[in-house]
Amino acid sequence: DAGVTQSPTHLIKTRGQQVTLRCSPKSGHDTVSWYQQALGQGPQFIFQYYEEEERQRGNFPDRFSGHQFPNYSSELNVNALLLGDSALYLCASSLRTSGGAGDTQYFGPGTRLTVL
Amino acid sequence: AQSVTQLDSQVPVFEEAPVELRCNYSSSVSVYLFWYVQYPNQGLQLLLKYLSGSTLVESINGFEAEFNKSQTSFHLRKPSVHISDTAEYFCAVSSSGAGSYQLTFGKGTKLSVIP
Repeated sequence: DAGVTQSPTHLIKTRGQQVTLRCSPKSGHDTVSWYQQALGQGPQFIFQYYEEEERQRGNFPDRFSGHQFPNYSSELNVNALLLGDSALYLCASSLRTSGGAGDTQYFGPGTRLTVL
Repeated sequence: AQSVTQLDSQVPVFEEAPVELRCNYSSSVSVYLFWYVQYPNQGLQLLLKYLSGSTLVESINGFEAEFNKSQTSFHLRKPSVHISDTAEYFCAVSSSGAGSYQLTFGKGTKLSVIP
């Protein structure tokens, strides 16, 4: 059973560019969340997608946008990259149950984004 | 708003010694609590979680954590650590209220097990 997969593994961009990160959820999961983990910090919630809609958003600017496809996979897009966007971007998938926020989130290995 | 404080950024401990990683949270509503572990160059793995019921929760690899509502704490303990436990540990909280789905993480505690 494949877990959460993310691509690419590493990415180097320059300031002002745009980037797209991809995530395939664990088999049977229908919800995808994205987190940003800066060096030496804990992950910070960007947003969550369920039924192809953004269900909740953290404190991130509109430069961060996402999408969920009918097969539950997801993309994270970041426009007008800043140096401060350099981080590990983690995707987590879960199966929506009545527990809502208590649903266990399974994390992928992350995409390491470096902005020069 | 909710927040998590992990009181120790680094904890060195000798192999086979006990360890406690401290976590305090702040929230105005009822919460769910989690501990995740991150090995180098990997994503996060769920270690254990508290949703309701017994305040003591256990993982399959010997870790346990106790939810203490009055002290707003969820400390992680293991009676005897192994070299393989060397990793970074993150405490996280989510609100049990409707419409809240995000996990809020602490800054992490790096556990180093010394042979």
